[in-house]
Amino acid sequence: GAVVSQHPSRVICKSGTSVKIECRSLDFQATTMFWYRQFPKQSLMLMATSNEGSKATYEQGVEKDKFLINHASLTLSTLTVTSAHPEDSSFYICSARPSRGHTNTEAFFGQGTRLTVV
Amino acid sequence: AQRVTQPEKLLSVFKGAPVELKCNYSYSGSPELFWYVQYSRQRLQLLLRHISRESIKGFTADLNKGETSFHLKKPFAQEEDSAMYYCALSPYGGATNKLIFGTGTLLAVQP
Repeated sequence: GAVVSQHPSRVICKSGTSVKIECRSLDFQATTMFWYRQFPKQSLMLMATSNEGSKATYEQGVEKDKFLINHASLTLSTLTVTSAHPEDSSFYICSARPSRGHTNTEAFFGQGTRLTVV
Repeated sequence: AQRVTQPEKLLSVFKGAPVELKCNYSYSGSPELFWYVQYSRQRLQLLLRHISRESIKGFTADLNKGETSFHLKKPFAQEEDSAMYYCALSPYGGATNKLIFGTGTLLAVQP
């Protein structure tokens, strides 16, 4: 199956700093990638839809200036948590759907990034 | 509002027993429904989707539009089925579709 890779898998940062998380589709192109956030023992909450070459679409209640998304190529999307605070500590997961060559309804998920803000 | 409800946080069964993981959805249109599974220390992966009408690892799920349900079933549970199961809804068609997840059910199959 297709592979989506996230980097880093774990990151600890100081409050007030910014953190960048990368999401790469390794063997397929993805016009669209999705960023989710998962709190402990809770479900995945969609944060935003990342569109290659255009602005991301954010879900209601998600601060776009706080969570900057860049989708500069068909294989890479980045999520930057700006001025991170302890309440931003969470598990962030990306997913991508292949632009072509696969059943168009299957999404492939990254392994997730554990962010801890101290 | 688009919503997916999984009423059980934990389902514990013995090996060989039947399993049914419940999923109900709320959506006014014609959604696509999925079951995703996350084994211990692994990433989320697709188990099955309603449009395929297939059985994967012995699991099946039938979309019941009247009851707005998409329950996941397996007649005889195996220990290796122990995992977190998420029901998900895709509200629109096409490759750019987002997924709305339920809260998940942890299936624990006891020996």
